[in-house]
Amino acid sequence: EAGVAQSPRYKIIEKRQSVAFWCNPISGHATLYWYQQILGQGPKLLIQFQNNGVVDDSQLPKDRFSAERLKGVDSTLKIQPAKLEDSAVYLCASSLSFRGNLYEQYFGPGTRLTVT
Amino acid sequence: AQRVTQPEKLLSVFKGAPVELKCNYSYSGSPELFWYVQYSRQRLQLLLRHISRESIKGFTADLNKGETSFHLKKPFAQEEDSAMYYCALFSGSARQLTFGSGTQLTVLP
Repeated sequence: EAGVAQSPRYKIIEKRQSVAFWCNPISGHATLYWYQQILGQGPKLLIQFQNNGVVDDSQLPKDRFSAERLKGVDSTLKIQPAKLEDSAVYLCASSLSFRGNLYEQYFGPGTRLTVT
Repeated sequence: AQRVTQPEKLLSVFKGAPVELKCNYSYSGSPELFWYVQYSRQRLQLLLRHISRESIKGFTADLNKGETSFHLKKPFAQEEDSAMYYCALFSGSARQLTFGSGTQLTVLP
């Protein structure tokens, strides 16, 4: 089966510019996650969708970050305006469901964002 | 709030030597723990989960609730085990994974 797809793979922008990342999860996976991974740290969950509804966005900086999952399949994460501290790898993951403790998250290759 | 600590950022061992990657957690509920691995130029992927009590690629991990630890072990390291390893805790109440900061394992020839 095809894995989680993300684009672009790399992006360099100047601070105060905007940027958008795209994710296509594994077919049939109801749950989609966006993580931020700053250099030297583990992934940190930003937002979690179940189909097209938000399950958890408590760690999403809502003043500048937004995400949507229209139609419950693809998802877009946007940053506007970007700050230097947003430089990180943005990972998308998907799973069959968030319920229960047997789910497995499948990760995409990530988008490396550099803000200058 | 849940927390996962991996005290070693870097760990080097020689091929054939035993290896142990440490993971400690802080969580008030009943923990579900995982190890994820990222090989060079590959995606982050699940290595093992404690509830399955399985051994993957020779690795095992035992949950010790008394010491709040979930250390990853392998009796004889191989060069292909060189990778970044992340310990993660699933919070049922928050329904999310919390990752540690990772340990870069290098197995020397």
